[in-house]
Amino acid sequence: DQQVKQNSPSLSVQEGRISILNCDYTNSMFDYFLWYKKYPAEGPTFLISISSIKDKNEDGRFTVFLNKSAKHLSLHIVPSQPGDSAVYFCAASAVSNYKLTFGKGTLLTVNP
Amino acid sequence: KAGVTQTPRYLIKTRGQQVTLSCSPISGHRSVSWYQQTPGQGLQFLFEYFSETQRNKGNFPGRFSGRQFSNSRSEMNVSTLELGDSALYLCASSFYQGDYTFGSGTRLTVV
Repeated sequence: DQQVKQNSPSLSVQEGRISILNCDYTNSMFDYFLWYKKYPAEGPTFLISISSIKDKNEDGRFTVFLNKSAKHLSLHIVPSQPGDSAVYFCAASAVSNYKLTFGKGTLLTVNP
Repeated sequence: KAGVTQTPRYLIKTRGQQVTLSCSPISGHRSVSWYQQTPGQGLQFLFEYFSETQRNKGNFPGRFSGRQFSNSRSEMNVSTLELGDSALYLCASSFYQGDYTFGSGTRLTVV
């Protein structure tokens, strides 16, 4: 039972354009959502998060949008840079629960 | 500030052996959680410790165990290793919910 789904295994965009990574969840108890970037054989690096009381959070080139009614969130990267090429994981946690449930990741390739 | 330190970085073990992995959290972080990453299953939660107590456990067999010491350092142990235990094991430390910093992981290969 996959509670967090990233339905696109890969995404390829041109440098300077927008990258949009999507994530769906099924568990209504999730109240905190995070995006991580990961390179092979390394630990995930935190990018941005959002609480369920918000619908948008921005940090520089990264913006996360949350649509609670659709149980959907997305990560926008603008403008995309070649250094953004990595696997991006969406993760969620429930109230007062220090357990993260991850999606299977989306490989983003930004072409120069 | 120093990050989350996991040792060793790489490990090769034989089927049937047991292994212990170590994680030193960021100073001041009292929650330590462990994850297993495999190509087929992605990142899966193993367990979480806070103040030496296991607060949460994932769906893994009893061969997987852990503990946390009074200085918040944590170890996880896998007994009777199977080929399928080959994975990247990641540790994350937290000060509050939503503040998860991961270590670089331990790559375990079971042969």
